[in-house]
This record gives sequence, structure tokens and C-alpha cells, in this order.
Amino acid sequence: GAGVSQSPSNKVTEKGKDVELRCDPISGHTALYWYRQRLGQGLEFLIYFQGNSAPDKSGLPSDRFSAERTGESVSTLTIQRTQQEDSAVYLCASSPRYGGSKFFGPGTRLTVL
Amino acid sequence: DAKTTQPPSMDCAEGRAANLPCNHSTISGNEYVYWYRQIHSQGPQYIIHGLKNNETNEMASLIITEDRKSSTLILPHATLRDTAVYYCIVRPTTNFGNEKLTFGTGTRLTIIP
Repeated sequence: GAGVSQSPSNKVTEKGKDVELRCDPISGHTALYWYRQRLGQGLEFLIYFQGNSAPDKSGLPSDRFSAERTGESVSTLTIQRTQQEDSAVYLCASSPRYGGSKFFGPGTRLTVL
Repeated sequence: DAKTTQPPSMDCAEGRAANLPCNHSTISGNEYVYWYRQIHSQGPQYIIHGLKNNETNEMASLIITEDRKSSTLILPHATLRDTAVYYCIVRPTTNFGNEKLTFGTGTRLTIIP
């Protein structure tokens, strides 16, 4: 595709359920990032992947959060046992190389009831 | 990481130049200044970046002071579609091991018809 795509665009879930968010980066982009944006706040870095290197997971807020990436393509962000404070827009971005300008997807709006 | 400070909000008349300031007084010599914007309900969009020279592209101009402690993003002829939150961040050029960057709350620019 022409840009970064994310699915679903909206997700409403009940507290305690697991959710999986998907990101399709721009083809050929080796770096992929996940961010979280709470209502009215700036972007909070979560995790990044660079090629086949081990990802830097130090931005993940708790062990309920995990992410995977298949090679240099699709990434999934999984949140287990969701809590109400997990409600936010989760944004994915990719860049042609590590440290390059980022291209963001439209985000997934997660609402935990 | 260098911190940035921006005014929380600004208004600009349609057709006029919008000048968005950013202070980054603790910026290091190897750090670029980047600008992104986020239109309501969309992911952030890259605008422009620079190190010490002024930069211009099809979207905007970036003016960096000689001491690099502040910069100004200029949208030369603002349109209603430029209404968005504008983020100024600083990023290292060589230390690509540090991508744990968090966008602040930015400047909410409103273009007035």
C-alpha cells in the first residue's frame, strides 16, 4: 500500500480481555515503531523494531504489553488483561531506515470499558 | 534528550503566515530539530527537519537560530487544512540507539477563516 495501515481502526473491549492490534508498514521500511496517545496528550513511545535486530521494548508500560514483527513486514501489538487506563489511540509508524523520518498510520482507537 | 517547549495554542488568519515557535535550549550539537503535525483523528505527519541551516520544502520553512536554542516553523500561506497540533522534537543524528522519543503536547494551531 501507499502508506502505513492499521487495523482495526476502532476497538471496544471489556476490562480483562486481550486485544491484538495490527500494523502494516510501508513496503521496504526496515524500522517500525509503536506509540500510544492518550486523549489530549502527546505521543508516548512504546517499542521499536529495526530489521532483524532484537526490538527495544523498554517503552512498554507493563508486562501485559507485547509486540512482534515478522521480518520487515507486519507487526502486532498485544495487550493482555486490558485495563481502563489502556484506553488510547495506538499509533504505528515506519521509516526507511533506523532514525529516518517516520510515516505514521491512522491509529487504532482502543476503548476499554 | 533535549526537551522542547511550545506554546499550547495559537490562532492564525487564513492566508497569512503561521509562525510556530519552539524552544530547545538544551539541544546538543548532534541533534536535529524535527517538526510533525497531527490533524484531528489522523496519525502524525512529518513536516520538515534541520540541523543548523534554515530549511524549506513544499510544506513549510524552518528557521533555526544561530545558537540553535530555538526554532520557528513557518507555514507561508495558512489554509483551513493546516489546523492541527504541531509537534517540535529533537533527535540525535548519530546515536540511532536512542529512539525512545516522546512527543510533548505540541501547539494546537487553529486557522481562522
